[in-house]
Amino acid sequence: AQKITQTQPGMFVQEKEAVTLDCTYDTSDPSYGLFWYKQPSSGEMIFLIYQGSYDQQNATEGRYSLNFQKARKSANLVISASQLGDSAMYFCAMRRPSGGYNKLIFGAGTRLAVHP
Amino acid sequence: DTGVSQNPRHKITKRGQNVTFRCDPISEHNRLYWYRQTLGQGPEFLTYFQNEAQLEKSRLLSDRFSAERPKGSFSTLEIQRTEQGDSAMYLCASSLPTGTDTEAFFGQGTRLTVV
Repeated sequence: AQKITQTQPGMFVQEKEAVTLDCTYDTSDPSYGLFWYKQPSSGEMIFLIYQGSYDQQNATEGRYSLNFQKARKSANLVISASQLGDSAMYFCAMRRPSGGYNKLIFGAGTRLAVHP
Repeated sequence: DTGVSQNPRHKITKRGQNVTFRCDPISEHNRLYWYRQTLGQGPEFLTYFQNEAQLEKSRLLSDRFSAERPKGSFSTLEIQRTEQGDSAMYLCASSLPTGTDTEAFFGQGTRLTVV
């Protein structure tokens, strides 16, 4: 069965510091895509970053990078230089196959609090 | 605003009543999705449309739920005879048709409370 596990219900970080949010996944398919979304209190899911299972390099988007360790089935999100506006829920999600439609399997999320 | 639009943002209804939600996707997106998010959980997939065709329905979508996308543009999600367990955030998303890095764009959701 396909599953996304986020083991950190809550994290806090000091402003301007880096933080890593953990995500592990379970699938037997060779083709899959991994996503991170941010959900502020307004409710909208905001796309942050994508990693395909065949991508050789870790994805980066501005202050966000994805630490993809395929053998360990982990896809941790690293946020550098945290800002107060980064306080939100963060969800890891998987899509199979990587080029399929967006039937996403989400984890339970991690609530990040950025302290000044 | 050219994002995904959902209406209403909030809905409070009495148990047993019917409710209908609307989703307007990004105009060039032919793929549309509905998800449900209960408190403290990540969103769960409900259904998927490609243009006007409903191509997949989750087992979560009981016979009290019906979704339509009649002209391949906006979509509606109707819940009949609401139950307290239907209380959740209902999220709509849309995406472009092709590409391995094509992400889904989500609306702000409709929060349903059944009292």
